[in-house]
Amino acid sequence: QVQLVQSGAEVKKPGASVKVSCKASGYTFTRYYMHWVRQAPGQGLEWMGVINPSGGSTTYAQKSRGRVTMTRDTSTSTVYMELSSLRSEDTAVYYCARGEEYDVSAITAYWGQGTLVTVSS
Amino acid sequence: QSVLTQPPSASGTPGQRITISCSGSSSNIGSNYVYWYQQLPGTAPKLLIYRNNQRPSGVPDRFSGSKSGTSASLAISGLRSEDEADYYCAAWDDRLSGSYVFGTGTKVTVL
Repeated sequence: QVQLVQSGAEVKKPGASVKVSCKASGYTFTRYYMHWVRQAPGQGLEWMGVINPSGGSTTYAQKSRGRVTMTRDTSTSTVYMELSSLRSEDTAVYYCARGEEYDVSAITAYWGQGTLVTVSS
Repeated sequence: QSVLTQPPSASGTPGQRITISCSGSSSNIGSNYVYWYQQLPGTAPKLLIYRNNQRPSGVPDRFSGSKSGTSASLAISGLRSEDEADYYCAAWDDRLSGSYVFGTGTKVTVL
């Protein structure tokens, strides 16, 4: 069965960076895009970007551009999301979510469990 | 700021039918599929509707989706207490290099 397992909660100081991992299993890793979505406390869902695990190409949301980097390791079927220059507004639960096969334009049924990133001095 | 607009809240009594609207534009809903997600407190979103009106296996047929022009709707019939949750619409937006946009979210309360 398809599983997306994310790394554990992080506490970071303002200005630091955080790298969250998402290990996929139960399907052919390189055939499905992987998206990252975050949700600040009490707020809605915000799309951060997407990576094509096959070639590694990325598309980032305008708001995240310049601070976010998404990478993948095909040998371990893991994608990573690194966010730099953290500020308090980046405190949120970060989710990885699988897209459609060979199609960047949708997030489907499979989501990671979420990783809480807290930015606090 | 969300590109897709939803009402902040909706409510109904058990057994009633409610609808949630999602308003977008030609670059998102008008030219791409719409997806709907249900989120219970403290959990990851769950896919309810894909490609405008398709239900994944396991989603009750009480949930239905539709799309017309640059707007979409989610209907919940036979409302049940376990339907109390946040609901989000979403679609790909073709502007610039593309992005996946979510709605503002609707809190459904079962009275």
